[in-house]
Amino acid sequence: SQTIHQWPATLVQPVGSPLSLECTVEGTSNPNLYWYRQAAGRGLQLLFYSVGIGQISSEVPQNLSASRPQDRQFILSSKKLLLSDSGFYLCAWRSGLLADEAFFGQGTRLTVV
Amino acid sequence: RKEVEQDPGPFNVPEGATVAFNCTYSNSASQSFFWYRQDCRKEPKLLMSVYSSGNEDGRFTAQLNRASQYISLLIRDSKLSDSATYLCVVSLYNFNKFYFGSGTKLNVKP
Repeated sequence: SQTIHQWPATLVQPVGSPLSLECTVEGTSNPNLYWYRQAAGRGLQLLFYSVGIGQISSEVPQNLSASRPQDRQFILSSKKLLLSDSGFYLCAWRSGLLADEAFFGQGTRLTVV
Repeated sequence: RKEVEQDPGPFNVPEGATVAFNCTYSNSASQSFFWYRQDCRKEPKLLMSVYSSGNEDGRFTAQLNRASQYISLLIRDSKLSDSATYLCVVSLYNFNKFYFGSGTKLNVKP
C-alpha cells in the first residue's frame, strides 16, 4: 500500500532563517506531488505541483521554492522566511495515470517568529 | 476569481438533521470532483468522489451539476462525529491541478 511521510510535524523558525520541508511517498511510482499551505481558518492554497523528477510548476509567486530530486521526494524550501510564511503545510500525492483522489501527509505546522 | 467557492458556514445543526452544502467552480474544463473532510488541525481526508450521475455512500449523497458548475453534499441523520470542515475539490482536465475550496464548517449539536 502507498504511504506518504512528511516532516517535521511542527516547526518554529525565526524570520530570515531558511526552511526545508521534506515529503516522501512509498509504494507508488511516478506520482503527481503537491505542496499546499493552509493559513489559520482558511482553505488550502496550492503552492507547487510536480508531474516528474525536476518538473516543478508554481501556482503563486512567493518566497518559497520546491524541488523534486527523486521520483518520490518533494522538498519545499525558502532562503529567508517571512512572518507571512506561517501556516500549515501539506504535501499530497496522486496517481499520475488516473483521475484519482489525492492523499495527504500529516502536515507541518510552521510558525515564523 | 477563485477556482472553487464554498460558503464557510458554520452550519450549526442538531443531531439527526439533514444538512446540505454547495460548492461552485469556475473552470468549465474541470473533470474530477471530490468532497474531503478535515478535522481540526489534521490533514484532509477523502470523504467521497463525485460522479456525473450522482452517488451515495451511506448517509452521504453527492451530486454534480455541470451546467451550473456546482457540486453538492447532502448529509442525512447527522451525527456528532460529522462535525468537521468539508472541503470541495476540483481537478482540471489534465488532472495535474487539484484545487480546494476554503471549506464549510459543520457543527452537529446534541
